Amino acid sequence: GDSVTQMEGPVTLSEEAFLTINCTYTATGYPSLFWYVQYPGEGLQLLLKATKADDKGSNKGFEATYRKETTSFHLEKGSVQVSDSAVYFCALSDPETSYDKVIFGPGTSLSVIP
Amino acid sequence: GAVVSQHPSWVICKSGTSVKIECRSLDFQATTMFWYRQFPKQSLMLMATSNEGSKATYEQGVEKDKFLINHASLTLSTLTVTSAHPEDSSFYICSATKDVTTFEAFFGQGTRLTVV
Repeated sequence: GDSVTQMEGPVTLSEEAFLTINCTYTATGYPSLFWYVQYPGEGLQLLLKATKADDKGSNKGFEATYRKETTSFHLEKGSVQVSDSAVYFCALSDPETSYDKVIFGPGTSLSVIP
Repeated sequence: GAVVSQHPSWVICKSGTSVKIECRSLDFQATTMFWYRQFPKQSLMLMATSNEGSKATYEQGVEKDKFLINHASLTLSTLTVTSAHPEDSSFYICSATKDVTTFEAFFGQGTRLTVV
C-alpha cells in the first residue's frame, strides 16, 4: 500500500543553518505530495505541495521538488529561524488507491537554537 | 480560503463517560471528512473516513462501536468517543478536502482529550 518515509528526528540546528528533511514515498498511482507543519500546541498547516513530477512547491523560504524517478520530496530551507521550530510531516494523497485520504510520514521534529 | 473548525479544543472527562467532538467546514461543503488520532510525538493515524449521508468507513483496528462517527450534513461531522477510558486520551484531528484535483486537505485545530 501507499506509504511515506521520513528521516528520523529530532533535528537540532543553529539559526541560519541549512535544512534538509528527506522524504520518500511508495504509491501505486501518481500521488499529490505535501509537506505539513505542526507548531507546538497547534493543528496541522499545509506548508507546500506539488501535484506532478518535477513540480516545485515553495512557501516561507521552504522548497521541495517532486522527483518521480527517485520517489522523493525532500524539504529544504537555506536559512532556518527559531520560529521554524516545529514538527514537519511529509504526506501524499493517491487518487489511484486512497482517493482523498492523506497518508502521513512519521514526522520530523526540528528545533532551531539561537 | 478553506477553514475547518473543531470544537472543543480540549476536553477532560471522567472514565466511562462519552465525549462528542465536532468538525465543521466553515466556507465549503465537504462530502467526505477524515478523523485522525495523534499520540504524543507520533504521526497522525487515520481512524475513519466520514461520508455525508452514509456510514463511516473505519480503518483496520479501529473500533467502530467505540468511535461513533456521524456526518449529518455537508459541513458537519461528529466523532463520539463512547465509554471513554484513559487509553483513549489523545489528540484527535479532523480534515476535509476542498479541491478534488489536488486533494489538498484542510485540518481542524485538533481536540485534546484527557480521560481521568
